[in-house]
Amino acid sequence: NAGVTQTPKFQVLKTGQSMTLQCAQDMNHEYMSWYRQDPGMGLRLIHYSVGAGITDQGEVPNGYNVSRSTTEDFPLRLLSAAPSQTSVYFCASSAPGTKYNEQFFGPGTRLTVL
Amino acid sequence: SQKIEQNSEALNIQEGKTATLTCNYTNYSPAYLQWYRQDPGRGPVFLLLIRENEKEKRKERLKVTFDTTLKQSLFHITASQPADSATYLCALGLQTGANNLFFGTGTRLTVIP
Repeated sequence: NAGVTQTPKFQVLKTGQSMTLQCAQDMNHEYMSWYRQDPGMGLRLIHYSVGAGITDQGEVPNGYNVSRSTTEDFPLRLLSAAPSQTSVYFCASSAPGTKYNEQFFGPGTRLTVL
Repeated sequence: SQKIEQNSEALNIQEGKTATLTCNYTNYSPAYLQWYRQDPGRGPVFLLLIRENEKEKRKERLKVTFDTTLKQSLFHITASQPADSATYLCALGLQTGANNLFFGTGTRLTVIP
């Protein structure tokens, strides 16, 4: 099992550009989520999905879109990048059917917006 | 406002001693609490879970306590080793069966040989 994979590992964008951060998991997890991690702020939830075709907003959803067409993939789209979106982005997944789910995190994407 | 605070940003201890990390929260009513380890340049890795009706959980050299009256969790690493050096994150889960977590800012632990 590869677990949770994320691409790219690093990305530099100019203000106004768009891009998609990729996330995939091979553990058949129903729940997937995106977090951003900023110094002094901790991990904050952007969007999450409880299964294919179902997504919802987290704490900080503005400026980001998601979709979940398959169980395996959960891409995060930045529509028009802003310097405030400079951050490290983590994708996570967790197994269905348990009450207190541990989350499995990917290795992260470090994004810089100039 | 809602807050999750972890005692200090950085904690240095001597090898062999017990490290104690603190997670305090306000204006949350968590159903459970989790602790994660994060190494530089990597994603967090799950360590331990404790439910609201549990006082203490242990796993090898790790121990976590949960006091819902004090709104605090303590995370202990006994017989610490340099390999335990990492950032440790606490995370609150508000509902059983719901997977959204609220994370603290983390404590960077350094174990000095």
